[in-house]
Amino acid sequence: GQNIDQPTEMTATEGAIVQINCTYQTSGFNGLFWYQQHAGEAPTFLSYNVLDGLEEKGRFSSFLSRSKGYSYLLLKELQMKDSASYLCAVRARAAGNKLTFGGGTRVLVKP
Amino acid sequence: NAGVTQTPKFRILKIGQSMTLQCTQDMNHNYMYWYRQDPGMGLKLIYYSVGAGITDKGEVPNGYNVSRSTTEDFPLRLELAAPSQTSVYFCASSYSRGGVETQYFGPGTRLLVL
Repeated sequence: GQNIDQPTEMTATEGAIVQINCTYQTSGFNGLFWYQQHAGEAPTFLSYNVLDGLEEKGRFSSFLSRSKGYSYLLLKELQMKDSASYLCAVRARAAGNKLTFGGGTRVLVKP
Repeated sequence: NAGVTQTPKFRILKIGQSMTLQCTQDMNHNYMYWYRQDPGMGLKLIYYSVGAGITDKGEVPNGYNVSRSTTEDFPLRLELAAPSQTSVYFCASSYSRGGVETQYFGPGTRLLVL
């Protein structure tokens, strides 16, 4: 089966940088997704990595190392509205190319 | 486009009752999914569909049923509600472009079984 680990909770200060790590064990890796979920709302797509390296999208960047089974989501210039849960999800051929989600990391941004 | 819509937003059921959670998407996506999310947890896949007339079990299908008679609709049926089914249910649909499949989620249905 799939195994995805990410920290439960992180706290950071407005304007700072936070890095959310995600490690995974899977067979037939076929892409890693990051989703943002505000409390009481649906998840929304943030980023996708399938090749090693860094993908940058404005204040958000996502990194992948397939050999290490590791990804991180980097949030820069934190704003209060970034307080949310961040879900790491892995797509794998062993799971029929369906997404398997981690438990999510709740990020609290303080003034 | 309305995207992915779900009804109802919130429902309280008694143990043993049945209900159908509705999900509709107007983006002409072939793939549709049902997930449940327990408090403070990630999403668990219940059922999915790769097109009209085709459905398959996900990670946690017990106690649920689905049908996909049209591309747009993917209802989830609970036949005998149990307290363990208290959760938030999200429907999602997806398309594939350049090998990247992006899922779009509905607003969720909050279900409480007492």
